Amino acid sequence: AQTVTQSQPEMSVQEAETVTLSCTYDTSESDYYLFWYKQPPSRQMILVIRQEAYKQQNATENRFSVNFQKAAKSFSLKISDSQLGDAAMYFCAYRWGATNKLIFGTGTLLAVQP
Amino acid sequence: NAGVTQTPKFQVLKTGQSMTLQCAQDMNHEYMSWYRQDPGMGLRLIHYSVGAGITDQGEVPNGYNVSRSTTEDFPLRLLSAAPSQTSVYFCASSYGALGLEQFFGPGTRLTVL
Repeated sequence: AQTVTQSQPEMSVQEAETVTLSCTYDTSESDYYLFWYKQPPSRQMILVIRQEAYKQQNATENRFSVNFQKAAKSFSLKISDSQLGDAAMYFCAYRWGATNKLIFGTGTLLAVQP
Repeated sequence: NAGVTQTPKFQVLKTGQSMTLQCAQDMNHEYMSWYRQDPGMGLRLIHYSVGAGITDQGEVPNGYNVSRSTTEDFPLRLLSAAPSQTSVYFCASSYGALGLEQFFGPGTRLTVL
């Protein structure tokens, strides 16, 4: 069965610094997608970034980038130049190719210190 | 374009009561799904639908029913509420089963006493 593991329940970063959130997953599929979602205190789920497993290049969206290590089944999120608005719960999620069913990790609560 | 809407935002039920959580989307998305979020457990899939008239079970379907009579609406029914169903419920939709981005509603916080 596919699983997603986030081993850091909480993280803290100073404003303007860089932080990396970890995610590992387990699958026997070759065609899959990985996502990072942000959930601020408003509770709204916001897609931050996605990575297609067939792409070797790591995805980047402005200050957010991923380190996708397919062989190690690792998918970490790097937030550069952290801002107060980045404070939120971050969820890693997995989806395999022929379905749109998401499997989520347990989340990492990120605090940004001014 | 309202996106994905959910009603109500908050609800308190007594054990044994029934209710329906409403979900609607105005993006003509074929795929809709329901998740529940519990502390320390992330989001888990309850039921999903790949189009009007087609539904299937997710990871935690027990105690919930769904139907999909229109493309726009995907209600979630609790037949006999139990305290274990206290959770935050999210509806999501995407364009087709392979749509790469799922759009989430604002969630419904349900408490069962």
